[in-house]
Amino acid sequence: GAVVSQHPSWVICKSGTSVKIECRSLDFQATTMFWYRQFPKQSLMLMATSNEGSKATYEQGVEKDKFLINHASLTLSTLTVTSAHPEDSSFYICSASGANYGYTFGSGTRLTVV
Amino acid sequence: QKEVEQDPGPLSVPEGAIVSLNCTYSNSAFQYFMWYRQYSRKGPELLMYTYSSGNKEDGRFTAQVDKSSKYISLFIRDSQPSDSATYLCAMRTQETSGSRLTFGEGTQLTVNP
Repeated sequence: GAVVSQHPSWVICKSGTSVKIECRSLDFQATTMFWYRQFPKQSLMLMATSNEGSKATYEQGVEKDKFLINHASLTLSTLTVTSAHPEDSSFYICSASGANYGYTFGSGTRLTVV
Repeated sequence: QKEVEQDPGPLSVPEGAIVSLNCTYSNSAFQYFMWYRQYSRKGPELLMYTYSSGNKEDGRFTAQVDKSSKYISLFIRDSQPSDSATYLCAMRTQETSGSRLTFGEGTQLTVNP
């Protein structure tokens, strides 16, 4: 079946630094990738949608300059949290979708900004 | 009003019980329905995917869709402690790779041994 690898699974960083999260589709080509944020005991909140080779489409209220998304190939998308602050601490999940495949989620990244 | 409503629970049942999880939706354009299971600090995993109104069965899981009532359900038979997780319903309007999913809040389920 379709597999999406997300790294790192958890990261702690200092306030003001940047953190990059990678999402790879291992056995299929992901034409579209979605990035979500999830707070404890809440559902997934879509942050942005990215298509390979195109700029990401951000949801209302999501700062595109803070959450940089790159989808340079059909198997890799990255989310960079720039100048992270404690309020950016959250669980970030990617999801990849391609032809004939549904939506496959990564295992998530727990970001803690101290 | 949210497009998708799901009781967040928590729901606690004894091992072996039949579990019923439900979602209602307001957007009649939703045509494709999914149930995901999410363990703590993990990404969601797909359990069931349905399109037509009616029932779809896979092992101990049965997904039910009633488009006329805008109501979907997931039944778990002979529930096990390993079923303890958060269950999310999700739906979308189109079956294309770029169409977004709309999620319910998720129902937290605990199956007690």
